Amino acid sequence: ELQLLESGGDLVQPGGSLRLSCAASGFTFSSYAMNWVRQAPGKGLEWVSAIGSHEGSPHYADSVEGRFTISRDNSRDTLYLQMNSLRVEDTAIYYCAKDISGYIYVWGQGTLVTVSS
Amino acid sequence: EIVLTQSPATLSLSPGDRATLSCRASQSVTSYLAWYQQKPGQAPRLLIYGASNRATGIPPRFSGSGSGTDFTLTISSLEPDDFAVYYCQERSIWPRGAFGQGTKLEIK
Repeated sequence: ELQLLESGGDLVQPGGSLRLSCAASGFTFSSYAMNWVRQAPGKGLEWVSAIGSHEGSPHYADSVEGRFTISRDNSRDTLYLQMNSLRVEDTAIYYCAKDISGYIYVWGQGTLVTVSS
Repeated sequence: EIVLTQSPATLSLSPGDRATLSCRASQSVTSYLAWYQQKPGQAPRLLIYGASNRATGIPPRFSGSGSGTDFTLTISSLEPDDFAVYYCQERSIWPRGAFGQGTKLEIK
């Protein structure tokens, strides 16, 4: 069964750092581009970042460019999001999501990141 | 930057009704548009991609149409399980993809 399992969400102070992980199973992870999408409490969805299938071509939303870094380890079937210089407005559920044919086809259940003093 | 505007913000209908949700883009996205359904406490689920193609397992009462800047998601006959929030997303400049602000479909 295809599964995406996020972890690493936590309470962190403004200016702090956090690394999210997404463990994939049930499909050939290395063959697919992957995304991070976030949702602030009670708000809509925001695409955050994506990475191509072969550990290259990272892309970022303007709101996180220069602060967040997406990466993947195809040998471990795992996607990462390193988040630095965190702001209160980064508070959200972060979803890991699989791309198929240019669309976000499969989503994990999300991990909550809270940035607060 | 492409902006997607969804209307209405809230739609109040009864089971069995026909639902029509709109998504308008600030510039052409050709047919690179998807629709997602999200229920409380759950992750979104892909319904429609490429403006009019149903994703795997999506029942035929869900249909999408449109191209360029104006798109519509139609639910032909609402079932109780369909009441949720619906988002559109454009993917014209992959992998970037703005989302609309969502339409809440609620029971009247």
